[in-house]
Amino acid sequence: EAGVAQSPRYKIIEKRQSVAFWCNPISGHATLYWYQQILGQGPKLLIQFQNNGVVDDSQLPKDRFSAERLKGVDSTLKIQPAKLEDSAVYLCASSLVARSYGYTFGSGTRLTVV
Amino acid sequence: AQSVTQPDIHITVSEGASLELRCNYSYGATPYLFWYVQSPGQGLQLLLKYFSGDTLVQGIKGFEAEFKRSQSSFNLRKPSVHWSDAAEYFCAVGASGANNLFFGTGTRLTVIP
Repeated sequence: EAGVAQSPRYKIIEKRQSVAFWCNPISGHATLYWYQQILGQGPKLLIQFQNNGVVDDSQLPKDRFSAERLKGVDSTLKIQPAKLEDSAVYLCASSLVARSYGYTFGSGTRLTVV
Repeated sequence: AQSVTQPDIHITVSEGASLELRCNYSYGATPYLFWYVQSPGQGLQLLLKYFSGDTLVQGIKGFEAEFKRSQSSFNLRKPSVHWSDAAEYFCAVGASGANNLFFGTGTRLTVIP
């Protein structure tokens, strides 16, 4: 079974620029999560999708972050404009059903904002 | 609200020695508890989870954890550590019916020969 794919692995941008991350979940997994992991902290949920609908985006800074999951498969997370404090690893995870906690995480995208 | 405390930021053990990583949680009802491991540059891998039942939970790679309600703890243990166990370990708590997990700040494990 292929895992959760994320790209790019690394990204360095200047503050105020925009950036986008891509995630391809495990085939058939209806639920997709984006987590932000700041250095020295545990991951924090940004947004959860069930198929192509948003279930929980209460922790997403909507003034600069956006996410979509077209057709209920791949997802993109965008930051515009980026701030220094957005430097983090962005982890995508998927699960077969919601609330099952059978998450599979991708390797993440490490973002550095300079 | 749920919260997780991992009091040890960094632990160093010798290969072959036993290991215990501490985790304390705060949650009003019976929590769902998890331990994840993260190797450098990798995503998180689930080691074990506790939902209910036997309070001693066995996981992968020879790890186990014990849920102690009276102490609000879910400590991770391994009787004999291998060099490949060097990684970051995260404890997490989830609530029944909730959408997400709350993670601790992690404990970095170094294994010396």
